[in-house]
Amino acid sequence: DGGITQSPKYLFRKEGQNVTLSCEQNLNHDAMYWYRQDPGQGLRLIYYSQIVNDFQKGDIAEGYSVSREKKESFPLTVTSAQKNPTAFYLCASKDSASYNEQFFGPGTRLTVL
Amino acid sequence: SQQGEEDPQALSIQEGENATMNCSYKTSINNLQWYRQNSGRGLVHLILIRSNEREKHSGRLRVTLDTSKKSSSLLITASRAADTASYFCATDITNSGGSNYKLTFGKGTLLTVNP
Repeated sequence: DGGITQSPKYLFRKEGQNVTLSCEQNLNHDAMYWYRQDPGQGLRLIYYSQIVNDFQKGDIAEGYSVSREKKESFPLTVTSAQKNPTAFYLCASKDSASYNEQFFGPGTRLTVL
Repeated sequence: SQQGEEDPQALSIQEGENATMNCSYKTSINNLQWYRQNSGRGLVHLILIRSNEREKHSGRLRVTLDTSKKSSSLLITASRAADTASYFCATDITNSGGSNYKLTFGKGTLLTVNP
């Protein structure tokens, strides 16, 4: 998991609430990513950012928002518009000079009560 | 849609045996990577093979790539109980627009190594 931290590890949310998941990296990587993983499934890309103050929608961006005000931080907000937010969320980062090898954080498990 | 699909979905073997997992994909790629995920944890990068490479080794891992068949295999030799995990292939898709920062992951193979 080295170099990327995610918090909290477990998060419980009531329906209708927005929650923000934290992702911080000290690897000096330019690119950062948010993925969602459902049981028995692969990773699906929510948002990604190639550089500070810029980000792009992934395959399942609806109901999520992000910001990239600092190079080391890429928080993800799960809004009330996300109909089925219970999942395991993974953050990753990549050095722009590499062949796209991504480094992952330990994940946040979000449960809607 | 999933670019990579692993096969089998689950594999159970005894310690000391070899484990082979396969990955098929649909479109041309720049490279293909394999990742490992222990239950409830983040993914860890194992090995990357470029589209112009056919085979690569790293310790007990051997990866092959057949671009004509759009497939890759991951072989873990002399497996250990600690190898129990899910294994994912991820493809970096050739993009006519230039550098592609995105990976597309398969659904993974759950490997169980019994002691």
